[in-house]
Amino acid sequence: DTEVTQTPKHLVMGMTNKKSLKCEQHMGHRAMYWYKQKAKKPPELMFVYSYEKLSINESVPSRFSPECPNSSLLNLHLHALQPEDSALYLCASSPSGGVRVNYEQYFGPGTRLTVT
Amino acid sequence: DQQVKQNSPSLSVQEGRISILNCDYTNSMFDYFLWYKKYPAEGPTFLISISSIKDKNEDGRFTVFLNKSAKHLSLHIVPSQPGDSAVYFCAASRLTGGGNKLTFGTGTQLKVEL
Repeated sequence: DTEVTQTPKHLVMGMTNKKSLKCEQHMGHRAMYWYKQKAKKPPELMFVYSYEKLSINESVPSRFSPECPNSSLLNLHLHALQPEDSALYLCASSPSGGVRVNYEQYFGPGTRLTVT
Repeated sequence: DQQVKQNSPSLSVQEGRISILNCDYTNSMFDYFLWYKKYPAEGPTFLISISSIKDKNEDGRFTVFLNKSAKHLSLHIVPSQPGDSAVYFCAASRLTGGGNKLTFGTGTQLKVEL
């Protein structure tokens, strides 16, 4: 089973709203990732969690707040977003954390976010 | 600064023929390379990968070639099938202090025609 699930599939929110995106994997992977993808652009890394600890933050604005409650779950809390934050938000996981036993990342279907 | 580039935004191939997708990179710190396929409204799906210590990796219809001196890799799909029509991203990986980072290319839209 190489499935990463994400909820919701679509989200429309106003600039004053607070919402959360959820990602789940049950493959026993120890690294989880958030990416942002704008239309006709490649995915761009936002955050990396390794063994449930935040290990990489690609200078993402504080209106995006990641959380890893356990090894299977990854959340992205959203607050006071801007219209330019509208994008497809992708979650991914990979088997290894700090040690590169396996390099491949497995992606979920994404959450299409629209900020109005 | 685009460290991973796919210079062909689109490619059209007839069913049964070979599809060749190309990718160039600039950062010599990349040591592992991957290809992903993406359908609309879905996340990228991992296809095949190659370590920088190899020059070829094959998996069924898919073969990835790496020319490290030229900083170039390619994905060959043979024979191409209509279901292969999708956007293909190459990605390059390097290990940092915080973990494994993937940098994606800009993608190539492959269309396999009957």
